[in-house]
Amino acid sequence: AQTVTQSQPEMSVQEAETVTLSCTYDTSESDYYLFWYKQPPSRQMILVIRQEAYKQQNATENRFSVNFQKAAKSFSLKISDSQLGDAAMYFCAYRSPNTGNQFYFGTGTSLTVIP
Amino acid sequence: DSGVTQTPKHLITATGQRVTLRCSPRSGDLSVYWYQQSLDQGLQFLIQYYNGEERAKGNILERFSAQQFPDLHSELNLSSLELGDSALYFCASSLRTSGGLLYFGAGTRLSVL
Repeated sequence: AQTVTQSQPEMSVQEAETVTLSCTYDTSESDYYLFWYKQPPSRQMILVIRQEAYKQQNATENRFSVNFQKAAKSFSLKISDSQLGDAAMYFCAYRSPNTGNQFYFGTGTSLTVIP
Repeated sequence: DSGVTQTPKHLITATGQRVTLRCSPRSGDLSVYWYQQSLDQGLQFLIQYYNGEERAKGNILERFSAQQFPDLHSELNLSSLELGDSALYFCASSLRTSGGLLYFGAGTRLSVL
């Protein structure tokens, strides 16, 4: 079964600085999708960014970008110019098209933004 | 707004009771997923339905059951509730296509006293 690992339970960053959240996954599939979801204190799950495994180009959404290393099975999230509103729990997720489109989530990284 | 509707938002009940959580997926989405998130924990996958049929089961207790109706809304039934069942229960929906995103509802916060 696919597993998603987030090895950093907590991270902190100074406002306006850059922070990188790590995620690794284990799979034997060649075609899949990766996601980062954000869960602020409101507990609502919000999609941050998505990456298709067949695309070599790293996805970017404004201040959020990923470093996708398929061979290393690594999918890190970089947040640039961190803002107070970025403080949240961040979950990495893997979607398998071969097992009923199942989503597998990591255990999350709690990000604190220091003013 | 994700388009996924969950009711109720909050539920307070006693041990031993039974509750039903309801979810309406986004218009056009055929897949519904249920997740449980206990305090300061990650998301635990419970069960998935696709177009009315059970597609996958995760760590769902025998005391819990779910179904998806012809209009595609889904209900999660929790019975013989225990204190440890207190959690945030999320419903999410997705299109069938493999590139589809997972859209989450706002969750139902269950408190078992």
